[in-house]
Amino acid sequence: DVKVTQSSRYLVKRTGEKVFLECVQDMDHENMFWYRQDPGLGLRLIYFSYDVKMKEKGDIPEGYSVSREKKERFSLILESASTNQTSMYLCASSLYGQGPSNYGYTFGSGTRLTVV
Amino acid sequence: GENVEQHPSTLSVQEGDSAVIKCTYSDSASNYFPWYKQELGKRPQLIIDIRSNVGEKKDQRIAVTLNKTAKHFSLHITETQPEDSAVYFCAALGVGAGSYQLTFGKGTKLSVIP
Repeated sequence: DVKVTQSSRYLVKRTGEKVFLECVQDMDHENMFWYRQDPGLGLRLIYFSYDVKMKEKGDIPEGYSVSREKKERFSLILESASTNQTSMYLCASSLYGQGPSNYGYTFGSGTRLTVV
Repeated sequence: GENVEQHPSTLSVQEGDSAVIKCTYSDSASNYFPWYKQELGKRPQLIIDIRSNVGEKKDQRIAVTLNKTAKHFSLHITETQPEDSAVYFCAALGVGAGSYQLTFGKGTKLSVIP
């Protein structure tokens, strides 16, 4: 069974702390994504990566950075956590392909981050 | 970039009735349209998808239709059951920055009333 694993289910951090959210997939997928999910706003893309050491900004990258040193691991970093970053964070991965293959995402279970 | 609009944001139906959720997209180059179901406290999971060369696809009680000319696609759930209660997200696949990425709608919270 394919898996995307997020290291923490719940996390509470203080304002100004540096926060690391980890995501690991075991499917040898090229693409990995970080989304945040807020009520009424749906899933908003923060960053994505289509290869090791590659990263691209999504729709809401401000206040975040990412790291992808290995194919299976994609980390989201909050450089200085703020209360408006309190949210559910979802990691996802997918295959990369030029033709009609499976582009569907596999999501992790999410990390609910509270910044106090 | 791609923009996906999803309606309605909330939907309540009686058990056994049908439910329809509609989405529109902006990028005519998009060619893959998945639907995800997210139950309370769980991860979104793919329930059905459709590619641009197909107009309709069915899987038991769920179906998706696509109108490429109008740039809209819909999810149809027949004979709804309480376990269908969840948030449903539509998405459209676009190409950007050398890779493929999904743009999601804002979601529809479906409540099936027993």
